[in-house]
Amino acid sequence: GAGVSQSPSNKVTEKGKDVELRCDPISGHTALYWYRQSLGQGLEFLIYFQGNSAPDKSGLPSDRFSAERTGGSVSTLTIQRTQQEDSAVYLCASSPQGAGEQYFGPGTRLTVT
Amino acid sequence: AQSVTQLDSQVPVFEEAPVELRCNYSSSVSVYLFWYVQYPNQGLQLLLKYLSGSTLVKGINGFEAEFNKSQTSFHLRKPSVHISDTAEYFCAVRLLNYGGSQGNLIFGKGTKLSVKP
Repeated sequence: GAGVSQSPSNKVTEKGKDVELRCDPISGHTALYWYRQSLGQGLEFLIYFQGNSAPDKSGLPSDRFSAERTGGSVSTLTIQRTQQEDSAVYLCASSPQGAGEQYFGPGTRLTVT
Repeated sequence: AQSVTQLDSQVPVFEEAPVELRCNYSSSVSVYLFWYVQYPNQGLQLLLKYLSGSTLVKGINGFEAEFNKSQTSFHLRKPSVHISDTAEYFCAVRLLNYGGSQGNLIFGKGTKLSVKP
């Protein structure tokens, strides 16, 4: 079946611009996660959606970062006023109810110039 | 605070040799344990997981790992590696508490396995 998909695969933006990154989870998965992978920081948790519950935003690095999940499916991660330190690969993952493991998408490579 | 330590950042090995990638974790609550593999310019692929039961778990591509609760370790092993196993390997834990970010994974820094002919 179809896995987690993310778009765009690559995004180059100028410092100060806003960007939106999209994630389509595996159909039927109730949980959705965003992570950031960078050379200096490794893999960091950003935000977690579980069903209709309020999202866990404890990993968001600043208030420039936000995310939403519409209809319990597709999610968008928005970064406002991008900075060079936001350059990283943004990974999305989904998980079915009650499962331990998460399934990852291919990621979006964001470059802020 | 919870953490995952992968003791080796890089492991070079010859083809058909055995390999062990080490992972230790620190947590005040019970955890689930995972190994993921990442090939260049790709996402993370689940290799294997320990949720409960037998402490020796087998995964894809001939890999296995053993959970040792007393040593808080979850080392990954393969008896004979192939060139195609060249990739970065990440150990991760998921906490089994009921507050805060109980759903997310906490990752180690990764180990780059380089298999040479």
